[in-house]
Amino acid sequence: GAVVSQHPSRVICKSGTSVKIECRSLDFQATTMFWYRQFPKQSLMLMATSNEGSKATYEQGVEKDKFLINHASLTLSTLTVTSAHPEDSSFYICSAIGTHGGNQPQHFGDGTRLSIL
Amino acid sequence: SQKIEQNSEALNIQEGKTATLTCNYTNYSPAYLQWYRQDPGRGPVFLLLIRENEKEKRKERLKVTFDTTLKQSLFHITASQPADSATYLCALLKEYGNKLVFGAGTILRVKS
Repeated sequence: GAVVSQHPSRVICKSGTSVKIECRSLDFQATTMFWYRQFPKQSLMLMATSNEGSKATYEQGVEKDKFLINHASLTLSTLTVTSAHPEDSSFYICSAIGTHGGNQPQHFGDGTRLSIL
Repeated sequence: SQKIEQNSEALNIQEGKTATLTCNYTNYSPAYLQWYRQDPGRGPVFLLLIRENEKEKRKERLKVTFDTTLKQSLFHITASQPADSATYLCALLKEYGNKLVFGAGTILRVKS
C-alpha cells in the first residue's frame, strides 16, 4: 500500500521550456504533498508543501512564480518548472501523506531527473 | 544554526556483520525521527520511525535508537547483506506540521 507515482521519470529539454511533473497517490488520499529537490550526494531540500484545494507554501528562497504547484485533488499534485534554465537541472521528488495527519511517514515517488540543455 | 549530520564517508562492511549508522542533530527538539533508504535514481523508502519517548525500535534486522540527551540516533542493520547496500537518510520533524528535514545520508556498501 501507500504507492506514489511520479511522471515523467526523466526529462531533457531546451532552455526556456516549461516542464510539468505529476505526482499521484495511487491507493490512498493525500491531503498533503511535498516537493523536494536533490543535487548529487546532497540531502533532499524541501521546496514547497502542497495541500489539496489551497495554495502551496513555499520554503524560503524558492521562487513561487518559477515553480508552480497545483494540488487540485486528493490524489494529484503537479509541479511546473517555468522557463527552465540549466541551473534548474536537478532531481525532483514528490512525497505524500494520508488524511490522518500526525507523525506519519512520507511516501515518495521515484523522482524526475530534469536536464535542461 | 540547525544541523543534521550523518557520516559523509561511505561505510564499507563485510556481509553478515552489523552496520551502524549515526545521525546527530543540533538546535532541534524533534518529537520523532525517521529513517529512510534511498537507492540510486530512486525516491526514499520509509524504514522506521522512533518517538522522543522511545529509546529503541526494532523491525526485523533493523534497530533504531534515539538519545535526546546526546541528540543522536543510531541505525543498526544486523546480519547485513549485499542487498542492504544503499544510502540511508535520517529525517527530523521541522518545528510543527509534517515537514521533514533530511540529513545528507550515509552510503552503506555491504560486500560479500
